[in-house]
Amino acid sequence: GAVVSQHPSWVICKSGTSVKIECRSLDFQATTMFWYRQFPKQSLMLMATSNEGSKATYEQGVEKDKFLINHASLTLSTLTVTSAHPEDSSFYICSARKQGPTGHEQYFGPGTRLTVT
Amino acid sequence: DQQVKQNSPSLSVQEGRISILNCDYTNSMFDYFLWYKKYPAEGPTFLISISSIKDKNEDGRFTVFLNKSAKHLSLHIVPSQPGDSAVYFCAATGTSYGKLTFGQGTILTVHP
Repeated sequence: GAVVSQHPSWVICKSGTSVKIECRSLDFQATTMFWYRQFPKQSLMLMATSNEGSKATYEQGVEKDKFLINHASLTLSTLTVTSAHPEDSSFYICSARKQGPTGHEQYFGPGTRLTVT
Repeated sequence: DQQVKQNSPSLSVQEGRISILNCDYTNSMFDYFLWYKKYPAEGPTFLISISSIKDKNEDGRFTVFLNKSAKHLSLHIVPSQPGDSAVYFCAATGTSYGKLTFGQGTILTVHP
């Protein structure tokens, strides 16, 4: 199998606070994990690529100091939204790439709904 | 610049018939293509993929066709079932990329 979990599934926080989202690959090791953001009725927007043991690579326009990514082990990556604002409210989804014959398939977590009030 | 395009925002099909979802790409460096299914407020679920060295890949009710010269791929679902109703995303990547580029998605509705 290839199961990816995210925690929490939803979170409400006050403006100015920080929120941490965890992404875990449950039955496989993932040297690379990805963080996406999805706005209503839009496609998934890649935010950053997280490699185990090294710094994340952020996509253009994504503030690395605001969206802190840590990939401390082969099964866990975390995304911390720092000093959250209402415009950060969104659906955040992680994925993990499973090593295999092609190595291209990414398996997604169930997503985290963040609401900043 | 939208490198992966799904030009049909929605598709409606009768149960038991064939669903054909289309996807076009512009980047000739893409050499691996994937289809994902997504329900609201959930993460995408991997369905099927195809390498550029093939022109067809089949898995149960799902078949993906790739036309490299036209930079076009399609997903066929036969027979369609009401449970197939969801948003379908095509995605593309290159061997040296790692990251996926997604299309905008197509909402498939299968009527009983």
